[in-house]
Amino acid sequence: GAVVSQHPSRVICKSGTSVKIECRSLDFQATTMFWYRQFPKQSLMLMATSNEGSKATYEQGVEKDKFLINHASLTLSTLTVTSAHPEDSSFYICSALQGEGYTFGSGTRLTVV
Amino acid sequence: AQTVTQSQPEMSVQEAETVTLSCTYDTSESNYYLFWYKQPPSRQMILVIRQEAYKQQNATENRFSVNFQKAAKSFSLKISDSQLGDTAMYFCAFSISGGYNKLIFGAGTRLAVHP
Repeated sequence: GAVVSQHPSRVICKSGTSVKIECRSLDFQATTMFWYRQFPKQSLMLMATSNEGSKATYEQGVEKDKFLINHASLTLSTLTVTSAHPEDSSFYICSALQGEGYTFGSGTRLTVV
Repeated sequence: AQTVTQSQPEMSVQEAETVTLSCTYDTSESNYYLFWYKQPPSRQMILVIRQEAYKQQNATENRFSVNFQKAAKSFSLKISDSQLGDTAMYFCAFSISGGYNKLIFGAGTRLAVHP
């Protein structure tokens, strides 16, 4: 079946640095990818929708300058958390649209110290 | 705007018994999809079942079935013969048919299956 590979699975970074998370569709072309954030014991909150070759669409309240999304190819979308702060610590999950279904990455646990 | 509501934060069930998780949604769209996803402790999102709104027949997948009431905007999940491996967070989700439409999640229900 369709697989989305998400890396890294865990990352610890220092406050003020930037972190890049990658999501790659392994056996299909993902024109559209979604990025979610999940706090402990809470639901998935959509951050942005990325379409290959165009600018991402951010949800209300999400800082586009802080969470940079790039979808430069049909198989790769990246989320860069810039100037990370402890409050950015969270679980980030990507999802690729395939037909009328969605395939999820395995998530990235980001800890900012 | 579309919303998805799961009113049961936590549920528990004995192994081999049946449990029903509730979900209601609100939309003015006529063509859409509804989903139930399972998130075990590994946090990998796993599709449990999917329902197209234009289909009147309730979707089933082995021990999992839904009760889709379009007029009431209700989409409950029934798990039969519960197994310990069913212990997880369950999310109800909604997307509009066609285009690049985002998946909107409910708050989730934490299900514990006890031996």
